[in-house]
Amino acid sequence: ELKVEQNPLFLSMQEGKNYTIYCNYSTTSDRLYWYRQDPGKSLESLFVLLSNGAVKQEGRLMASLDTKARLSTLHITAAVHDLSATYFCAVDMNANDMRFGAGTRLTVKP
Amino acid sequence: EAGVAQSPRYKIIEKRQSVAFWCNPISGHATLYWYQQILGQGPKLLIQFQNNGVVDDSQLPKDRFSAERLKGVDSTLKIQPAKLEDSAVYLCASSLDTYTSYEQYFGPGTRLTVT
Repeated sequence: ELKVEQNPLFLSMQEGKNYTIYCNYSTTSDRLYWYRQDPGKSLESLFVLLSNGAVKQEGRLMASLDTKARLSTLHITAAVHDLSATYFCAVDMNANDMRFGAGTRLTVKP
Repeated sequence: EAGVAQSPRYKIIEKRQSVAFWCNPISGHATLYWYQQILGQGPKLLIQFQNNGVVDDSQLPKDRFSAERLKGVDSTLKIQPAKLEDSAVYLCASSLDTYTSYEQYFGPGTRLTVT
């Protein structure tokens, strides 16, 4: 059975600092997604990574995918309070059957 | 473009009662998904429709959960009878189609509390 593991599960960081969230998965897949969820809200798509070596950046967030290592990273640069949210990675098993990680709850403190 | 619509937004029921949720996907989206998100966890896919046919319902507890998408547009998810462990947010999502479109768009969810 596919396992999707994120770490850390909880992350408290200061504004201006950098950090990386990791997403490991246990089966072959070349499609991986990152979503953001604010408390009480639905999921917002951040990145879709479609091939080995894919790298995408939007503002202070950058996501990458290494399909050989079955690893994706979400790097946060110079964090700001507005980035506080829960971040999920999701692996596409086939035909858009997505399996989600448990999420990383990020808190950015001034 | 209107997003995925869901109703109700909140529902509180007692165990052993029945409940139904409604979802209207983005216009033109052939694929519709229902997810269950238990507090503190990632969403879990319950069922996936392509038009009015089921693509995957392997994680749907079929003894109490049912879903339909009769005309290939909106969908209902039903729980009968509800258990305490069904307390969760039920998310509906849609995408253009299953095989050539990757991005799923999520609705606001229905928060179910079973007492």
